[in-house]
Amino acid sequence: AQKVTQAQTEISVVEKEDVTLDCVYETRDTTYYLFWYKQPPSGELVFLIRRNSFDEQNEISGRYSWNFQKSTSSFNFTITASQVVDSAVYFCALTPLGGGFKTIFGAGTRLFVKA
Amino acid sequence: GAGVSQSPSNKVTEKGKDVELRCDPISGHTALYWYRQRLGQGLEFLIYFQGNSAPDKSGLPSDRFSAERTGESVSTLTIQRTQQEDSAVYLCASSIHGERGDTQYFGPGTRLTVL
Repeated sequence: AQKVTQAQTEISVVEKEDVTLDCVYETRDTTYYLFWYKQPPSGELVFLIRRNSFDEQNEISGRYSWNFQKSTSSFNFTITASQVVDSAVYFCALTPLGGGFKTIFGAGTRLFVKA
Repeated sequence: GAGVSQSPSNKVTEKGKDVELRCDPISGHTALYWYRQRLGQGLEFLIYFQGNSAPDKSGLPSDRFSAERTGESVSTLTIQRTQQEDSAVYLCASSIHGERGDTQYFGPGTRLTVL
């Protein structure tokens, strides 16, 4: 099965707190790509990061960091010192090499950051 | 144009009518994708176009759904005999090469409401 699970439906934090969004995926393929997208209230999805299955290095970009662990099939996303502008729905997605051209999206995690 | 554009932004129709949704990809992007996003849910892949190759239609939910694209330009998604369950936001994305690991850039979507 090819599947992406984002178990957290909604998370609410207070500004400046750190928050981690979980993503667990399933795929038969050994080569695949993982993505995170942000969907702010305006609705337009914004690309955040892409990772291929051979690159397990963690990545940090400003307040954002990603932890990719193949052993647990997880690709978690952490926002440090959250801000109100981080409020959005965040989607994790999987493109398996053997899955045609389908990208499989998780159901999303809605993050509320309160001032 | 800077990004993917879609029209109309909102469409309200009566059950049983046909609708056409339009997508203009980023200039120079060879691949184009359509997705459906039901309220509060993740994205469902519908169809993929890559240049003049046969499209990947594996995500189309029924034969009432069809899409066309001429070359590497505009695409239209047509839904015939609309049903209330077709109500959703229809998102279009494009990518530069259409390879499986490519980043997809999304348009703002068309919100379809079937009464």
